[in-house]
Amino acid sequence: EAQVTQNPRYLITVTGKKLTVTCSQNMNHEYMSWYRQDPGLGLRQIYYSMNVEVTDKGDVPEGYKVSRKEKRNFPLILESPSPNQTSLYFCASSLYGGSDYGYTFGSGTRLTVV
Amino acid sequence: RKEVEQDPGPFNVPEGATVAFNCTYSNSASQSFFWYRQDCRKEPKLLMSVYSSGNEDGRFTAQLNRASQYISLLIRDSKLSDSATYLCVVNSLYNFNKFYFGSGTKLNVKP
Repeated sequence: EAQVTQNPRYLITVTGKKLTVTCSQNMNHEYMSWYRQDPGLGLRQIYYSMNVEVTDKGDVPEGYKVSRKEKRNFPLILESPSPNQTSLYFCASSLYGGSDYGYTFGSGTRLTVV
Repeated sequence: RKEVEQDPGPFNVPEGATVAFNCTYSNSASQSFFWYRQDCRKEPKLLMSVYSSGNEDGRFTAQLNRASQYISLLIRDSKLSDSATYLCVVNSLYNFNKFYFGSGTKLNVKP
């Protein structure tokens, strides 16, 4: 089944404790992206990647890092999480940037930083 | 000004009603347009792409008006299962790396 898999689905952590949210897609998509969704603010792009070893900042990159060492994986790293990073996170992939096919999203990761 | 704007709703309609949502976008160079559906606490799922000539998928019709820079979604014969938030998404020709999401319009279909 074609899908984007995120883990974990739920995570509660403490301020400052480094964490990684994994994202993997099995569709051979070139383009991958991370979003966060907050009430009233909609989906905001954190980082995106056009292909392996090519990453770039989205609209809200502060406090996050990403890497794209393999085509299928695009982990999101929070080096020192803070409470304002409490949010619902989605990984998404697309055949390529600007694709008419739109995105396929992962099931989301609900992160709480206390 | 936001790239994509939507009326947040909620739109409360009875089963069987016809309902329409509009979404305006600010960048005239926008190239690709989509409607996504998002159920509560779930991931957005692609409902349909929006083509220049308009397109239909069953009870759903999408239209694009480039002159006025808006897209619309029409749902006919609403079902209870259509209750969800509908997100408008726009992709720019000049920055095709970015998809801009509206904040969504909430639809409640009542029995």
